[in-house]
Amino acid sequence: GENVGLHLPTLSVQEGDNSIINCAYSNSASDYFIWYKQESGKGPQFIIDIRSNMDKRQGQRVTVLLNKTVKHLSLQIAATQPGDSAVYFCAEGPPQDDYKLSFGAGTTVTVRA
Amino acid sequence: DTEVTQTPKHLVMGMTNKKSLKCEQHMGHRAMYWYKQKAKKPPELMFVYSYEKLSINESVPSRFSPECPNSSLLNLHLHALQPEDSALYLCASGRGNTDTQYFGPGTRLTVL
Repeated sequence: GENVGLHLPTLSVQEGDNSIINCAYSNSASDYFIWYKQESGKGPQFIIDIRSNMDKRQGQRVTVLLNKTVKHLSLQIAATQPGDSAVYFCAEGPPQDDYKLSFGAGTTVTVRA
Repeated sequence: DTEVTQTPKHLVMGMTNKKSLKCEQHMGHRAMYWYKQKAKKPPELMFVYSYEKLSINESVPSRFSPECPNSSLLNLHLHALQPEDSALYLCASGRGNTDTQYFGPGTRLTVL
Protein backbone atom coordinates (compact mmCIF):
# COMPACT_ATOMS: atom_id res chain seq x y z
CA GLY A 1 0.00 0.00 0.00
CA GLU A 2 0.95 3.63 0.02
CA ASN A 3 3.18 4.74 2.84
CA VAL A 4 4.23 7.98 4.42
CA GLY A 5 7.90 8.10 5.27
CA LEU A 6 10.35 10.41 6.95
CA HIS A 7 13.77 11.35 5.72
CA LEU A 8 15.58 11.24 9.06
CA PRO A 9 14.87 9.12 12.13
CA THR A 10 16.61 11.56 14.50
CA LEU A 11 17.26 15.28 14.64
CA SER A 12 19.41 17.13 17.18
CA VAL A 13 18.77 20.86 17.46
CA GLN A 14 20.33 23.63 19.52
CA GLU A 15 17.86 25.42 21.76
CA GLY A 16 16.71 28.60 20.08
CA ASP A 17 17.42 27.37 16.55
CA ASN A 18 14.73 26.52 14.04
CA SER A 19 13.91 22.85 13.38
CA ILE A 20 12.80 21.35 10.11
CA ILE A 21 11.32 17.87 10.04
CA ASN A 22 10.67 16.30 6.67
CA CYS A 23 8.22 13.73 5.41
CA ALA A 24 7.70 12.17 1.98
CA TYR A 25 4.46 10.60 0.85
CA SER A 26 3.68 8.45 -2.15
CA ASN A 27 -0.08 8.73 -2.71
CA SER A 28 -0.56 11.69 -5.01
CA ALA A 29 -4.32 11.53 -4.38
CA SER A 30 -3.95 12.17 -0.64
CA ASP A 31 -5.69 15.33 0.38
CA TYR A 32 -5.11 15.68 4.10
CA PHE A 33 -1.96 15.67 6.20
CA ILE A 34 -1.39 15.96 9.93
CA TRP A 35 1.61 16.41 12.17
CA TYR A 36 1.57 14.84 15.62
CA LYS A 37 3.98 15.26 18.51
CA GLN A 38 4.45 12.38 20.94
CA GLU A 39 6.31 12.92 24.18
CA SER A 40 7.67 10.02 26.15
CA GLY A 41 4.90 8.06 27.88
CA LYS A 42 2.09 10.06 26.25
CA GLY A 43 -0.27 9.72 23.34
CA PRO A 44 0.26 11.59 20.05
CA GLN A 45 -0.78 15.21 20.29
CA PHE A 46 -2.19 17.06 17.28
CA ILE A 47 0.06 19.93 16.20
CA ILE A 48 -1.17 21.17 12.85
CA ASP A 49 -2.83 19.93 9.69
CA ILE A 50 -3.03 20.96 6.06
CA ARG A 51 -5.27 20.08 3.13
CA SER A 52 -4.04 19.57 -0.40
CA ASN A 53 -5.57 22.84 -1.63
CA MET A 54 -2.99 24.72 0.44
CA ASP A 55 0.81 24.78 0.34
CA LYS A 56 1.48 26.46 3.67
CA ARG A 57 -0.21 26.78 7.00
CA GLN A 58 1.03 28.48 10.13
CA GLY A 59 0.34 27.90 13.78
CA GLN A 60 1.96 29.07 16.95
CA ARG A 61 5.71 28.65 16.33
CA VAL A 62 4.99 25.93 13.76
CA THR A 63 4.59 26.01 10.00
CA VAL A 64 3.65 23.13 7.74
CA LEU A 65 4.67 23.23 4.09
CA LEU A 66 3.20 20.96 1.44
CA ASN A 67 4.85 20.46 -1.93
CA LYS A 68 2.50 18.34 -4.00
CA THR A 69 4.81 18.34 -7.01
CA VAL A 70 7.43 16.29 -5.19
CA LYS A 71 5.04 14.82 -2.61
CA HIS A 72 6.88 16.33 0.32
CA LEU A 73 5.65 17.64 3.65
CA SER A 74 7.66 19.49 6.25
CA LEU A 75 7.17 20.84 9.74
CA GLN A 76 9.13 23.89 10.80
CA ILE A 77 9.44 24.75 14.48
CA ALA A 78 10.66 28.25 15.25
CA ALA A 79 12.95 28.96 18.21
CA THR A 80 13.05 25.34 19.36
CA GLN A 81 12.63 24.85 23.10
CA PRO A 82 13.47 21.91 25.40
CA GLY A 83 9.76 21.11 25.57
CA ASP A 84 9.83 20.42 21.83
CA SER A 85 11.87 17.26 22.43
CA ALA A 86 9.62 14.45 21.27
CA VAL A 87 8.89 12.06 18.42
CA TYR A 88 7.14 13.76 15.51
CA PHE A 89 4.90 11.77 13.17
CA CYS A 90 3.42 12.89 9.91
CA ALA A 91 0.19 11.22 8.87
CA GLU A 92 -1.62 11.07 5.56
CA GLY A 93 -5.35 10.79 5.00
CA PRO A 94 -6.14 9.21 1.62
CA PRO A 95 -9.38 10.57 0.16
CA GLN A 96 -10.75 7.17 -0.71
CA ASP A 97 -10.68 6.00 2.87
CA ASP A 98 -12.91 7.75 5.30
CA TYR A 99 -11.07 6.80 8.46
CA LYS A 100 -7.56 5.57 7.99
CA LEU A 101 -4.46 7.60 8.58
CA SER A 102 -1.13 6.33 7.30
CA PHE A 103 1.66 7.27 9.67
CA GLY A 104 5.27 7.90 8.84
CA ALA A 105 8.01 6.20 10.83
CA GLY A 106 8.61 9.22 13.06
CA THR A 107 11.49 11.59 13.75
CA THR A 108 12.95 11.87 17.24
CA VAL A 109 13.85 15.49 17.96
CA THR A 110 16.32 16.19 20.74
CA VAL A 111 16.88 19.78 21.83
CA ARG A 112 20.37 20.59 23.16
CA ALA A 113 20.60 23.22 25.88
CA ASP B 1 -12.43 20.36 24.69
CA THR B 2 -10.25 18.04 22.64
CA GLU B 3 -9.71 15.48 25.37
CA VAL B 4 -9.88 11.75 25.03
CA THR B 5 -9.50 9.90 28.31
CA GLN B 6 -8.30 6.33 28.82
CA THR B 7 -8.22 4.02 31.82
CA PRO B 8 -6.25 2.42 33.26
CA LYS B 9 -2.97 4.20 32.64
CA HIS B 10 -0.99 1.02 33.27
CA LEU B 11 -2.06 -2.61 33.25
CA VAL B 12 -0.13 -5.77 34.02
CA MET B 13 -1.88 -9.04 33.28
CA GLY B 14 -1.14 -12.72 33.00
CA MET B 15 -1.84 -14.74 29.89
CA THR B 16 -4.95 -16.29 31.42
CA ASN B 17 -6.49 -13.04 32.68
CA LYS B 18 -9.44 -11.13 31.27
CA LYS B 19 -9.25 -7.36 31.43
CA SER B 20 -10.76 -4.35 29.68
CA LEU B 21 -9.42 -1.02 28.51
CA LYS B 22 -11.76 1.96 28.51
CA CYS B 23 -11.90 5.13 26.43
CA GLU B 24 -14.20 8.12 26.60
CA GLN B 25 -14.69 11.27 24.54
CA HIS B 26 -17.24 14.07 24.81
CA MET B 27 -16.50 15.92 21.60
CA GLY B 28 -19.46 14.48 19.73
CA HIS B 29 -17.13 12.62 17.37
CA ARG B 30 -18.74 9.90 15.28
CA ALA B 31 -15.60 7.82 14.81
CA MET B 32 -13.56 6.11 17.51
CA TYR B 33 -10.38 4.12 17.04
CA TRP B 34 -8.11 1.64 18.78
CA TYR B 35 -4.43 1.66 17.93
CA LYS B 36 -1.52 -0.42 19.15
CA GLN B 37 1.90 1.17 19.42
CA LYS B 38 5.19 -0.59 20.00
CA ALA B 39 8.25 1.27 21.26
CA LYS B 40 9.76 3.67 18.70
CA LYS B 41 7.14 2.78 16.09
CA PRO B 42 4.12 4.66 14.75
CA PRO B 43 0.62 3.70 15.91
CA GLU B 44 -0.95 0.74 14.11
CA LEU B 45 -4.68 0.82 13.52
CA MET B 46 -6.65 -2.05 15.08
CA PHE B 47 -10.35 -1.12 14.95
CA VAL B 48 -12.60 1.72 13.83
CA TYR B 49 -16.12 2.38 15.02
CA SER B 50 -18.36 4.76 13.14
CA TYR B 51 -21.73 5.71 14.63
CA GLU B 52 -21.22 2.93 17.21
CA LYS B 53 -20.81 0.26 14.53
CA LEU B 54 -17.59 -1.59 13.81
CA SER B 55 -16.47 -0.46 10.37
CA ILE B 56 -12.84 -1.57 10.25
CA ASN B 57 -11.10 -4.55 11.82
CA GLU B 58 -7.48 -4.68 10.71
CA SER B 59 -7.25 -8.47 10.98
CA VAL B 60 -6.76 -8.26 14.73
CA PRO B 61 -6.64 -11.60 16.64
CA SER B 62 -9.88 -12.53 18.39
CA ARG B 63 -8.22 -12.27 21.81
CA PHE B 64 -8.87 -8.52 21.33
CA SER B 65 -12.58 -7.73 21.34
CA PRO B 66 -13.80 -4.16 20.88
CA GLU B 67 -17.10 -2.79 22.09
CA CYS B 68 -18.81 0.56 21.65
CA PRO B 69 -21.60 0.85 24.27
CA ASN B 70 -22.55 4.38 23.16
CA SER B 71 -21.27 7.29 21.13
CA SER B 72 -18.92 8.45 23.89
CA LEU B 73 -17.44 5.17 25.08
CA LEU B 74 -15.16 2.58 23.57
CA ASN B 75 -13.89 -0.55 25.28
CA LEU B 76 -11.27 -3.10 24.35
CA HIS B 77 -11.73 -6.48 26.03
CA LEU B 78 -8.60 -8.56 26.43
CA HIS B 79 -8.45 -12.31 26.96
CA ALA B 80 -5.66 -14.88 26.73
CA LEU B 81 -3.10 -12.36 25.55
CA GLN B 82 0.47 -13.19 24.66
CA PRO B 83 3.63 -11.43 25.89
CA GLU B 84 4.11 -9.96 22.41
CA ASP B 85 0.83 -8.08 22.90
CA SER B 86 2.60 -5.86 25.42
CA ALA B 87 2.41 -2.34 24.01
CA LEU B 88 0.86 1.10 24.40
CA TYR B 89 -2.83 0.94 23.44
CA LEU B 90 -4.17 4.22 22.17
CA CYS B 91 -7.72 5.34 21.70
CA ALA B 92 -8.58 8.16 19.32
CA SER B 93 -11.70 9.92 18.14
CA GLY B 94 -12.54 12.12 15.20
CA ARG B 95 -15.22 13.33 12.86
CA GLY B 96 -14.16 10.88 10.17
CA ASN B 97 -14.07 12.12 6.59
CA THR B 98 -10.28 12.24 6.71
CA ASP B 99 -10.40 14.70 9.55
CA THR B 100 -8.11 15.01 12.54
CA GLN B 101 -7.97 12.16 15.00
CA TYR B 102 -7.43 13.12 18.62
CA PHE B 103 -5.57 10.63 20.77
CA GLY B 104 -5.87 9.72 24.40
CA PRO B 105 -2.85 9.23 26.67
CA GLY B 106 -2.85 5.48 26.16
CA THR B 107 -2.79 2.41 28.38
CA ARG B 108 0.62 0.83 28.87
CA LEU B 109 -0.10 -2.92 28.81
CA THR B 110 2.34 -5.56 30.00
CA VAL B 111 1.49 -9.23 29.51
CA LEU B 112 3.47 -11.63 31.68
